[in-house]
Amino acid sequence: AQSVSQHNHHVILSEAASLELGCNYSYGGTVNLFWYVQYPGQHLQLLLKYFSGDPLVKGIKGFEAEFIKSKFSFNLRKPSVQWSDTAEYFCAVRKTSYDKVIFGPGTSLSVIP
Amino acid sequence: DAGITQSPRHKVTETGTPVTLRCHQTENHRYMYWYRQDPGHGLRLIHYSYGVKDTDKGEVSDGYSVSRSKTEDFLLTLESATSSQTSVYFCAISQEVDQPQHFGDGTRLSIL
Repeated sequence: AQSVSQHNHHVILSEAASLELGCNYSYGGTVNLFWYVQYPGQHLQLLLKYFSGDPLVKGIKGFEAEFIKSKFSFNLRKPSVQWSDTAEYFCAVRKTSYDKVIFGPGTSLSVIP
Repeated sequence: DAGITQSPRHKVTETGTPVTLRCHQTENHRYMYWYRQDPGHGLRLIHYSYGVKDTDKGEVSDGYSVSRSKTEDFLLTLESATSSQTSVYFCAISQEVDQPQHFGDGTRLSIL
């Protein structure tokens, strides 16, 4: 079955620590990739997306992600997290031949001041 | 933020009752989606629409139906609510299938 997995269910970091959240998917072929963030009590917002071209994608708020096709991965990174980055992070994948986007189960990030 | 309004924002109801959630958009986007969000499952697609009167099932469509009689409104109906349908429901829209989705603020539904 097609699926999206996120390696960590809950991550706790101190401010200024570096962040890497893993995302893997199980589809072959061409995909569109997304990272969304959900701050406490809010709706999901797009952080960044990859459709084609440079596999290193820069998004808002200092986040970036790298698409590694051979590993079916799209990991999210930030060199130095802030307390305001505390949120739930969702990876999402769309196989370009389908209408549907599949979301991963999410990773909860807690940043300690 | 994209113009998406979900109503109601909160609802508590009893098992066996019908429930309808409404998603209204002012962006004239073609695609509209209904998801449910549950701990450990992320977002799961219930149904989506790719145009007026054009809808299709998602991965967790059992027990749900949808209707889209005009571009701006996408209704999600639970014909006979069950406790397993207690969840937070999010509506999303996108201009085209390959564009990022924009989400509404969610509806918290509790079925007792």
